[in-house]
Amino acid sequence: ELKVEQNPLFLSMQEGKNYTIYCDYSTTSDRLYWYRQDPGKSLESLFVLLSNGAVKQEGRLMASLDTKARLSTLHITAAVHDLSATYFCAVDGMELVFGKGTKLTVNP
Amino acid sequence: SQTIHQWPATLVQPVGSPLSLECTVEGTSNPNLYWYRQAAGRGLQLLFYSVGIGQISSEVPQNLSASRPQDRQFILSSKKLLLSDSGFYLCAWDLVGTEQYFGPGTRLTVT
Repeated sequence: ELKVEQNPLFLSMQEGKNYTIYCDYSTTSDRLYWYRQDPGKSLESLFVLLSNGAVKQEGRLMASLDTKARLSTLHITAAVHDLSATYFCAVDGMELVFGKGTKLTVNP
Repeated sequence: SQTIHQWPATLVQPVGSPLSLECTVEGTSNPNLYWYRQAAGRGLQLLFYSVGIGQISSEVPQNLSASRPQDRQFILSSKKLLLSDSGFYLCAWDLVGTEQYFGPGTRLTVT
C-alpha cells in the first residue's frame, strides 16, 4: 500500500525567508504532483514531476523529485504573504495518494 | 479547454435527509472521475472513482453512493445523511497519465 508522508504539517515563516517542504512516499513511483489549496477553495495544480531528477520552478517555488530516494521537495525562496496556503503532494500509484498537506503561513 | 463544474456550491441539510451532488466535465471525453471528501483542516479522502459509464469503485464503505449516468457526469448521493458526512466534497477528473483537475467543491454542513 502506497503511503505518502509530508512534513512539516504546519509551517510558520517570515517573509523573505527560505524553507523546504518534504514529501516521502513508500513504494516506487515516478509520477508526483504538487497542489496548492487556499482556505475554502479547491485544489490548484502547481507542478507535475514525471521522472527522476525532474525539477520545476514557478516564481518563488521550486519542486524536485528523487525517485530513488522516494522523495520530493518543494522549496520556497524569499517567501511572501501570498504564498500562505496548504500545499499537498500526491503520488501516482494504483491510484493517486495524497499527503496530509502542509499548512504554510507567511508572516510579515 | 476543459472545465469541471460542481453544484451546489454550499448545502446545509438536516440529519437523515437525502443528498445529491453533481459534477460535470466539459471539453474532454471518457475521463476518469473521482469524488473526494475533505473534513475541516484535514487531507483528502478518496470516496469513489469511475473509469467509465456505470463503472464505480468504492474506496470507503459508508452511507454514500455514486453513479455515472453519462460519460461526463458524476453524482454523489446519500439516502440518509449523518453528521459525520459534513465536509468539503471535491470532484476531480483526469485522463490516463495526466494530473488530476479539481472542481470548485461543495461545502456540505449536516445539522
